[in-house]
Amino acid sequence: EDQVTQSPEALRLQEGESSSLNCSYTVSGLRGLFWYRQDPGKGPEFLFTLYSAGEEKEKERLKATLTKKESFLHITAPKPEDSATYLCAVPLGAGSYQLTFGKGTKLSVIP
Amino acid sequence: EAQVTQNPRYLITVTGKKLTVTCSQNMNHEYMSWYRQDPGLGLRQIYYSMNVEVTDKGDVPEGYKVSRKEKRNFPLILESPSPNQTSLYFCASSLMAGPWEQYFGPGTRLTVT
Repeated sequence: EDQVTQSPEALRLQEGESSSLNCSYTVSGLRGLFWYRQDPGKGPEFLFTLYSAGEEKEKERLKATLTKKESFLHITAPKPEDSATYLCAVPLGAGSYQLTFGKGTKLSVIP
Repeated sequence: EAQVTQNPRYLITVTGKKLTVTCSQNMNHEYMSWYRQDPGLGLRQIYYSMNVEVTDKGDVPEGYKVSRKEKRNFPLILESPSPNQTSLYFCASSLMAGPWEQYFGPGTRLTVT
């Protein structure tokens, strides 16, 4: 059973067209949810950590939010340089330091 | 410059020939980890280490070994590589004693024929 599911798998947006990416999780006792950005052929780059439902974090055109079952990464007025794969990850259950990633959403922003 | 380095970046080898991929970080980080990334399967954790001499299995540890004799280094060892270990490998580290806010290395692309 997947603990982390991301949707959609791929998303094409016109420059300036805002949208949201979804990350749903099933781990109990969430101790943090992480968002990363990955460019082709490179290692993931950390974006945000969210700890509790209702929390929001922002960075430039990105805003991450968290509920008890899912997280959203909102992209406002995206630019072509926002094109990347966005990954979310959570630590497994209580006491575990093992991390599980979703399969990612590949975002393409067309000029 | 704060970074995680991996070597080699590219490696082509044959089945059964032992190999080691090195990982080093210069940030005095506590937590280090290895991942493999495969199309359709995403990033999966192989092993992680909370500190020197403390390692534990991730999702896919079979066929791999690790050691953490020094805080800065966390090598990944494939004793007898097989073609199903062909993948893109990433090392990562975190200042915290857990997988929080990890810095990732540039990746090692391994092909086993």
